[in-house]
Amino acid sequence: EVQVVESGGGLIQPGGSLRLSCAASGFTVSSNYMSWVRQAPGKGLEWVSIIYGGGTTYYADSVKGRFTISRDNSRNKVYLQMNRLTAEDTAIYYCVRDQGASDAFDIWGQGTMVSVSS
Amino acid sequence: DIQMTQSPSSLSASVGDRVTITCRASQSISRYLNWYQQKPGKAPNLLISAASNLQTGVPSRFRGSGSGTEFTLTISSLQPEDFATYYCQQSYSTPPITFGQGTRLEIK
Repeated sequence: EVQVVESGGGLIQPGGSLRLSCAASGFTVSSNYMSWVRQAPGKGLEWVSIIYGGGTTYYADSVKGRFTISRDNSRNKVYLQMNRLTAEDTAIYYCVRDQGASDAFDIWGQGTMVSVSS
Repeated sequence: DIQMTQSPSSLSASVGDRVTITCRASQSISRYLNWYQQKPGKAPNLLISAASNLQTGVPSRFRGSGSGTEFTLTISSLQPEDFATYYCQQSYSTPPITFGQGTRLEIK
């Protein structure tokens, strides 16, 4: 079955760091574009970051310089390292597979909740 | 960055109704427009890619159309399971990938 499963969310104090993991099965992350999309409580969807098959990465302005996306091809996992977290980063974080040609997100995980609060 | 604006933001309709949701882009995005459905407590689900390409398993009552700056998602005959929030997303000029603010479809 083609799926992704996120983990690593939790409650963290402002200024802290957290690393999210995304385990893929049924496909290889290195052959696909993989993104993180987040959704603050009661709000809409916000794209966060993408890693292309060749390894190129991009970030939303809101997280640039604080978040780092990476992957481990041997483990077929994608990661999101989040530093200097603020309350505005509180959200459900989804790992998503990008179809590629249309940049449509066809596989979503169940999401992992990140709460930034003192 | 390309801004995506959906209308209406919320919509009340009855089972069997035909409903249309509009998504407008701040500049031309050709047909690089995708639609998602999200039910409460669940992850979004891709319905339509490239403006009109229905994903496998999505009922044929869903139809996407448009190009350039204006796009529509039409549900021809609403079913109880269609009450959800719908998002459009542009993939023409990326990054950043941008979403519309969402349209909440509620039961009348």
